[in-house]
Amino acid sequence: EIVLTQSPGTLSLSPGERATLSCRASQSVSSSYLAWYQQKPGQAPRLLIYGASSRATGIPDRFSGSGSGTDFTLTISRLESEDFAVYYCQQYGSSPWAFGQGTKVEIK
Amino acid sequence: QVQLQESGPGLVKPSETLSLTCTVSGGSIISYYWSWIRQPPGKGLEWIGYIYYTGSTNYDPSLKSRVTMSVDTSKNQLSLKLSSVTEADTAIYYCARYRGVGGGRFDCWGQGALVTVSS
Repeated sequence: EIVLTQSPGTLSLSPGERATLSCRASQSVSSSYLAWYQQKPGQAPRLLIYGASSRATGIPDRFSGSGSGTDFTLTISRLESEDFAVYYCQQYGSSPWAFGQGTKVEIK
Repeated sequence: QVQLQESGPGLVKPSETLSLTCTVSGGSIISYYWSWIRQPPGKGLEWIGYIYYTGSTNYDPSLKSRVTMSVDTSKNQLSLKLSSVTEADTAIYYCARYRGVGGGRFDCWGQGALVTVSS
């Protein structure tokens, strides 16, 4: 069973700053099967990135994903007010399809 | 545009069976995998399992003994049953569509259904 560990738990930043979120897997994950989601309070998660680095439809290019093997990163180049939310990574390479525990990006 | 809508009782008594339905509109359930995910209040996302439109399933080991998923292609619906519930099963339950081509992901989500387990 692959465990995904996200860090940091909380990221306090100001609008316009760069956010770097980490997702580390306990075993190697195929890059094709690593996705990132954004969740705002009271809403369902929204797909941001799949295949480790492909942006989903309608996702602004300030969001980017990278990484391979056991280390993956979600970067938000310049935070906008609507980006303050919780972010989850998830792997689909092997069952069970675990989620990371989430990183909260909050306004500093 | 595909839309997913979860429905079912919002309150279930301990030891009883939680039952939810996900109705898919704007598209067919055929040729896709579909998952159920839950989120306890104030906590993170938990994957429950998936079902293919043919009916084949894969469940999270921690819930496998209590979970049953099914599909009704004629109604374009999925269903989730979770037996012997406890307060720990209180959560928002989401259904989501899985796409694997080009990279695995849940590209469509329902808005979620809150289920509270309480006597």
